[in-house]
Amino acid sequence: KQEVTQIPAALSVPEGENLVLNCSFTDSAIYNLQWFRQDPGKGLTSLLLIQSSQREQTSGRLNASLDKSSGRSTLYIAASQPGDSATYLCAVPNNAGNMLTFGGGTRLMVKP
Amino acid sequence: GAVVSQHPSWVICKSGTSVKIECRSLDFQATTMFWYRQFPKQSLMLMATSNEGSKATYEQGVEKDKFLINHASLTLSTLTVTSAHPEDSSFYICSARSRSYGYTFGSGTRLTVV
Repeated sequence: KQEVTQIPAALSVPEGENLVLNCSFTDSAIYNLQWFRQDPGKGLTSLLLIQSSQREQTSGRLNASLDKSSGRSTLYIAASQPGDSATYLCAVPNNAGNMLTFGGGTRLMVKP
Repeated sequence: GAVVSQHPSWVICKSGTSVKIECRSLDFQATTMFWYRQFPKQSLMLMATSNEGSKATYEQGVEKDKFLINHASLTLSTLTVTSAHPEDSSFYICSARSRSYGYTFGSGTRLTVV
């Protein structure tokens, strides 16, 4: 059974810092990995989707890497801003692609 | 990108009544949609997988007679919470999967049963 873990569970940083959020998964036979952002009381917004054949994906100040063999993915946030404050979730689908397993999330607070 | 629209965003209902939540894929067809429930400060819990034209698949511990799912078309799935009780109060989120964008989530529905 796939298990996904995110470290740290919570993070508070001053504005402008570069951040690294970590995600690990136990079954390396993944189809892809997806990073999401969730604001309080809202749904999930997809940030980056990394296919199993890819090593990284970039979108603006966000960069996500994937190392399947070690079962790890990192989300790098450059020059953090208060608007980045949210919960960040990573998730991997099962082999059939019909179910996502989520990590517990990292609650990020960026202070002005 | 893929967009999933979920309505209503919040609803308050009396105990014993039923509430319907809609989930629509706006610019793609979704043969499969997913319904999640989220408690405060917890991650999402998959309730059921909704399959177009067939019965939904429920996760263990989820009452199918309480949470009725209908997936009548390739762009619409509905979740009906029947005979709602205060313990059903929660945040419900739907999701659909596309080949290009992975999983796309709706904005969620905050249900409060009084």
